[in-house]
This record gives sequence, C-alpha cells and structure tokens, in this order.
Amino acid sequence: SQTIHQWPATLVQPVGSPLSLECTVEGTSNPNLYWYRQAAGRGLQLLFYSVGIGQISSEVPQNLSASRPQDRQFILSSKKLLLSDSGFYLCAVFRQRSHYGYTFGSGTRLTVV
Amino acid sequence: AQTVTQSQPEMSVQEAETVTLSCTYDTSESNYYLFWYKQPPSRQMILVIRQEAYKQQNATENRFSVNFQKAAKSFSLKISDSQLGDTAMYFCAFMKLPSGTYKYIFGTGTRLKVLA
Repeated sequence: SQTIHQWPATLVQPVGSPLSLECTVEGTSNPNLYWYRQAAGRGLQLLFYSVGIGQISSEVPQNLSASRPQDRQFILSSKKLLLSDSGFYLCAVFRQRSHYGYTFGSGTRLTVV
Repeated sequence: AQTVTQSQPEMSVQEAETVTLSCTYDTSESNYYLFWYKQPPSRQMILVIRQEAYKQQNATENRFSVNFQKAAKSFSLKISDSQLGDTAMYFCAFMKLPSGTYKYIFGTGTRLKVLA
C-alpha cells in the first residue's frame, strides 16, 4: 500500500527567507503527486501537480514553485517567503485507478513572521 | 470550470443523533467521481466515502451514507449514530473523468462538532 511522508510538520520562517518542503512516496511507482494549501474559509486549493519526473503544472500564480527531481519525490519551494504564504500545506498522491482516492501526507504548518 | 459549494461552514450534532452535510457542485461533465474527506483535529485527511456518477445507487460505508442527486448536482453526507470521534472538518470533492491528471476540486469545508 502507498505511504506518504511529508516534513517538516511545523515551520516558522521570517519574511524573505527561502522555503523547502519535501514529500516522498513509498509503495508505488510513477505516481501523480499534488501540493495543496489549506486556508481558513477557502478549503483546499491546488497549487501544483505532477504526472511524472520533471513535469510540473501550476494551478495558481504565486510566490511558490515545485519540482520533482525523482519519481517519488515532490518538493515545494520559495526563494523569498511572503506573509501571505502562511498556511497549512498538504502533499497528496493519487491512489489506484480502481479507487480514485488520494492518500494525503500529514501536512506542514507554515508560519511566516 | 467545475465548482464545489459547501454552504454550511459549521454544524453541531448531539452524540448518537444523525446529521446531514450538504454539498452542491456545478459541472457540464457527465462522468465524474465525488468524495467526502474528513479532517480531524490531527489534520490528517481521511477518505470517508466516494460515489461514481454513473452509479445510481447511493454509496454507504458503515454509519456514513450519501444522497446523490445527479440532476440536482447535489451530494450530501449523512452520518448516523454520531460519535465524538466524528468531530472534524468535512470536505466535499469532485474529480472529472476521464482524467490524466486526477485533480480534485474541493469545497470550503464544513466544521462538524459532535456534542456529548
């Protein structure tokens, strides 16, 4: 079965500092991977998704970027954080086609100060 | 573009009673999946139930069931015999088919509190 690891769990960063959140998946190959951000009153907003190594699609213009250097690794980055980047970030992997559900990571609470 | 609307930001229910969370969606697609996810205070997202649009029969999973009205584009979640552990944020989600991306569109969530 698929497992997904996301770290760190919490992060407090000053404005203007860089960001790197990592997500790795086990138990599957060539997965579809997703980064979501959860903000109060806005539900879960899809930021990026990837259907393969080096293939990144951005859903919303923002201060963030994503990369997929390996098949089961998905990284969310920023060169200079803004206060508005604060939020709860979730990585997810698409499960088997027969199920169509996602497995989510445990999330990262990012506070930009 | 598809949209998902959850019009109840917060709800509460007494333990052992039944509660229904509403979800409506807008799409021109004929084939799709609908989901309910639960996010307890731990913030770990858990799949509760899913419904395939081409199936007329409503999905059920133990105490959880849905009322899927395709023509009305409505997908409500009924929780029977509510338990304290059901206290969580509940998200409705839509996925169109066929899909090479398998992206979800989520609603804004309903915060459910089960009262002892």
